[in-house]
Amino acid sequence: DIVLTQSPGTLSLSPGERATLSCRASQSFSSSYLAWYQQKPGQPPRLLIHGASTRATGIPDRFSGSAYGRDFTLTISRLEPEDFAMYYCQQYGSSHRTFGQGTKVEVK
Amino acid sequence: QVQLQQWGAGLVKPSETVSLTCTVQGGSFSGYQWTWIRQPPGKGLEWIGEINHSGGTNFNPSLKSRVQMSMDSSQTQFSLNLTSVTAADTAIYYCARANFDSWRHHYYGLEIWGPGTTVIVS
Repeated sequence: DIVLTQSPGTLSLSPGERATLSCRASQSFSSSYLAWYQQKPGQPPRLLIHGASTRATGIPDRFSGSAYGRDFTLTISRLEPEDFAMYYCQQYGSSHRTFGQGTKVEVK
Repeated sequence: QVQLQQWGAGLVKPSETVSLTCTVQGGSFSGYQWTWIRQPPGKGLEWIGEINHSGGTNFNPSLKSRVQMSMDSSQTQFSLNLTSVTAADTAIYYCARANFDSWRHHYYGLEIWGPGTTVIVS
């Protein structure tokens, strides 16, 4: 199995600040197989990024993704009030499609 | 606009079977991987498995012995059975559509999600 480790567990920031979320894979796989999701309380997750760096339809351009080897990063350039939520990465590079454990972005 | 509607029993006794169904409304059934994910209370997401339009399946190894998936393309429905449940199976269960292009070697993600069904094993 490919284990995805997200860090930090919690990110405490203020609106307008930049958020940098990390997702590290235990094994290499194509960056084309990495996606990011946002989840708010009481809602299903929403797809943000696919192929490590391509925004899904309707996702604002303050969200961006990048990849370097086994390390994947989700960046929110300037936090809006609606961006405070849980974020998960997910890989499709092995037959067992795993999620990271999540990063909570909370208001400082 | 494609939507997923899901239903199933919300309260199940230990050792019994959780049965959930998801209907695809407004879109094609073929060409996608129809997926089940669950989320225990206060915890993260766990991928359960997927079934494609041809009936091919792929399951989480830790659940494989207890998971059954089926689909009815004429009804654009797919289903999950999880057998021999315990309290550890208490979770919100989501159905979702995964989009993977094997020609381009690109994963477009879990694009559409159902609203979730809360299943309590007690």
